[in-house]
Amino acid sequence: DAGVIQSPRHEVTEMGQEVTLRCKPISGHNSLFWYRQTMMRGLELLIYFNNNVPIDDSGMPEDRFSAKMPNASFSTLKIQPSEPRDSAVYFCASSLAQGAGNEQFFGPGTRLTVL
Amino acid sequence: DAKTTQPPSMDCAEGRAANLPCNHSTISGNEYVYWYRQIHSQGPQYIIHGLKNNETNEMASLIITEDRKSSTLILPHATLRDTAVYYCIVRGGEYGNKLVFGAGTILRVKS
Repeated sequence: DAGVIQSPRHEVTEMGQEVTLRCKPISGHNSLFWYRQTMMRGLELLIYFNNNVPIDDSGMPEDRFSAKMPNASFSTLKIQPSEPRDSAVYFCASSLAQGAGNEQFFGPGTRLTVL
Repeated sequence: DAKTTQPPSMDCAEGRAANLPCNHSTISGNEYVYWYRQIHSQGPQYIIHGLKNNETNEMASLIITEDRKSSTLILPHATLRDTAVYYCIVRGGEYGNKLVFGAGTILRVKS
């Protein structure tokens, strides 16, 4: 079975450009999570959705970041405009349902470099 | 903030059992203990989780003390491919959707 799929795997862009990261969760999973990993801050949750509805976006760093989930099989994380400090690996994860008893499965990540 | 304490690094000989400790002295009754690992440049990989009882799956065993203040992840026969950062995470309640990752333990399996 396919796991969580993310695209692109690598993205290099210039400061000020718009960046869109994409995620396809595991089929049948109702919860989707976006995480960011940097050397300084480690892995941190940005936002999560349940049944396509954003539940907690308290981890989104600022208004330049936005996330959508138009349907159960697709989500995007957009950064506009991008800045060098946004350089990180962005992971998408999904779980069968929300709640602490449901394990989250992670995708391979998108490595973003903003020059 | 992470609610767990783990040693920063450990070594293990290939073929031997790797026992990774985790302290979570402030854990609440409805909080789970989760273990993930991250192999270099890959996404975190789910290993196992438990609430009160010991758990075992095809990857590992999780031993939780009776007072639930600490636990041990056991990889029964470590291989070189088990070299990774291992994260112990306490995650709680019906709305405990966040996985809060600490620094983890770097496990080095050596031949």
